[in-house]
Amino acid sequence: DAKTTQPPSMDCAEGRAANLPCNHSTISGNEYVYWYRQIHSQGPQYIIHGLKNNETNEMASLIITEDRKSSTLILPHATLRDTAVYYCIVRAPYNQGGKLIFGQGTELSVKP
Amino acid sequence: DGGITQSPKYLFRKEGQNVTLSCEQNLNHDAMYWYRQDPGQGLRLIYYSQIVNDFQKGDIAEGYSVSREKKESFPLTVTSAQKNPTAFYLCASRMPGQDLLNQPQHFGDGTRLSIL
Repeated sequence: DAKTTQPPSMDCAEGRAANLPCNHSTISGNEYVYWYRQIHSQGPQYIIHGLKNNETNEMASLIITEDRKSSTLILPHATLRDTAVYYCIVRAPYNQGGKLIFGQGTELSVKP
Repeated sequence: DGGITQSPKYLFRKEGQNVTLSCEQNLNHDAMYWYRQDPGQGLRLIYYSQIVNDFQKGDIAEGYSVSREKKESFPLTVTSAQKNPTAFYLCASRMPGQDLLNQPQHFGDGTRLSIL
């Protein structure tokens, strides 16, 4: 199973873009990258996922390098409510249960 | 509204006692998962089920048991064999067999279990 590496913490000014990096150098060709975030004492919230191409939705953008060994989650205009732990996750294929393999995550603090 | 309901929100267990955590979903999802989260850590998979009447061990299944008699329900029992049960337990579900669409897992709000 692929593992991910993220910085343990990051700060971001309110209104600025937050760029959260993730390394997944052992990812295999059919493994997707997912991003979730967790606010204290709540269940993780799905943000975005991708395989090869960059993705964008109403919450964030996901930039995946061409070699797929790393990715960056971009919150274009961070707000105080974006303060949370962000997990970059590689999902195992369906024939392995599709389980999510969680790392330690990045604790993002958005400051006024 | 569709979603995943975990109950109770807080649970206390005495030494040597089995306790059962409830997880119900009305999303019509086939696959359900149980994770454990310790303070400052990521989630670790305990058990998962991709279809009714079938389930598989995850990475830390020892001391836990599950059942999947109905599609919408996936209860987790923390047995007395689990020596360190204090943790935050999270249930999730997703639609399997949709690999082309890669549906994400949806999580409940968790049950916090403590030892008395």
